[in-house]
Amino acid sequence: NAGVTQTPKFQVLKTGQSMTLQCAQDMNHNSMYWYRQDPGMGLRLIYYSASEGTTDKGEVPNGYNVSRLNKREFSLRLESAAPSQTSVYFCASATDRGRGYTFGSGTRLTVV
Amino acid sequence: AQSVTQLGSHVSVSEGALVLLRCNYSSSVPPYLFWYVQYPNQGLQLLLKYTTGATLVKGINGFEAEFKKSETSFHLTKPSAHMSDAAEYFCAVRTMYSGGGADGLTFGKGTHLIIQP
Repeated sequence: NAGVTQTPKFQVLKTGQSMTLQCAQDMNHNSMYWYRQDPGMGLRLIYYSASEGTTDKGEVPNGYNVSRLNKREFSLRLESAAPSQTSVYFCASATDRGRGYTFGSGTRLTVV
Repeated sequence: AQSVTQLGSHVSVSEGALVLLRCNYSSSVPPYLFWYVQYPNQGLQLLLKYTTGATLVKGINGFEAEFKKSETSFHLTKPSAHMSDAAEYFCAVRTMYSGGGADGLTFGKGTHLIIQP
């Protein structure tokens, strides 16, 4: 099935642990994004990648790093997880010129 | 800079009644506007979008929205609510980023639609 695939779907971390959220798309999109969703806050952009080999900070980048491994894959890393990073994380990809965005099904992360 | 304001974090309507979810935007460039729906514990599904052309846009599940440039609005409507419409709805505007000429989406905070039987 074409689309954006995120793994894992659920994760519980202890404070200070690290982990990487994986995202892959098979639509040959150039642009990819990581958002976090918190109650009453909508979705906020963490990082984005306009093309393979480039990444840029979004609205809430602190505590995160990203890697655009190739055109298909865009990973999000938490080096030292904090309870404030408890959230639902969505990966997305987009066609050029912003006409179509596709979202993954999300990763629900809890940091205790 | 682009921004989105959704009026009303919760909206309650009776089954069969009109649904109206309000969205106002701010954009320094001609806007591309989107409405997404999120059912509990699921991802985002595109309802409809406006990029260019006709200002009245029809989407899935009987929803439609009208782009009004003079009012900077893109309100979502449905003539008759159904129980299955209960969900979270997000309005979003295309945003241009300074790095590398990329663009993405800026979201409103969402409106939780409650359908009363």
